[in-house]
Amino acid sequence: EAGVVQSPRYKIIEKKQPVAFWCNPISGHNTLYWYRQNLGQGPELLIRYENEEAVDDSQLPKDRFSAERLKGVDSTLKIQPAELGDSAVYLCASSTTPGSYEQYFGPGTRLTVT
Amino acid sequence: GNSVTQMEGPVTLSEEAFLTINCTYTATGYPSLFWYVQYPGEGLQLLLKATKADDKGSNKGFEATYRKETTSFHLEKGSVQVSDSAVYFCALIAANDYKLSFGAGTTVTVRA
Repeated sequence: EAGVVQSPRYKIIEKKQPVAFWCNPISGHNTLYWYRQNLGQGPELLIRYENEEAVDDSQLPKDRFSAERLKGVDSTLKIQPAELGDSAVYLCASSTTPGSYEQYFGPGTRLTVT
Repeated sequence: GNSVTQMEGPVTLSEEAFLTINCTYTATGYPSLFWYVQYPGEGLQLLLKATKADDKGSNKGFEATYRKETTSFHLEKGSVQVSDSAVYFCALIAANDYKLSFGAGTTVTVRA
């Protein structure tokens, strides 16, 4: 079984530029999560999807961040414009059911904003 | 709110040494507790879990016991190997919730 796939693995951009991250969850996993992990810290949830619906986006900075999961499978997280403080690792995870602790994580995208 | 505090690293050990990583938590009710591990270049993986007080989670020689009285979930391994070098995260999900709250992570390096 293929794991959670994320791309790109690394991204370096200048501040004020846009950037997008892509995630393909494990087949059959209806719940998808985006986390942000700052250096030296644990991951923090940004948004959770149940199928194509964003059921919790309370931690997503909506002035510059957006996300979509149009067909309830792949998801894209976008930042526009990026700021220096957005440098972090962005993790995608998926699970079979809502509230499952069995969340399967992708390798993450390391974003550096210069 | 819910929070997890774990031992700061980095921790450097010799092979076959005993490993302990302390983890304490703050949460309402009875949370479920987890240890996740992140090997170099890989995603986070669930290492072990405990869903109620006095439960012991175990996997790959690692163990952790859910201690309600001390609000702790310390990770232990009796004899570490070089392949155990990784970052270890303690985490919880509060009762009636779905959101994982993570500690800051502890980097463990095992030397041959």
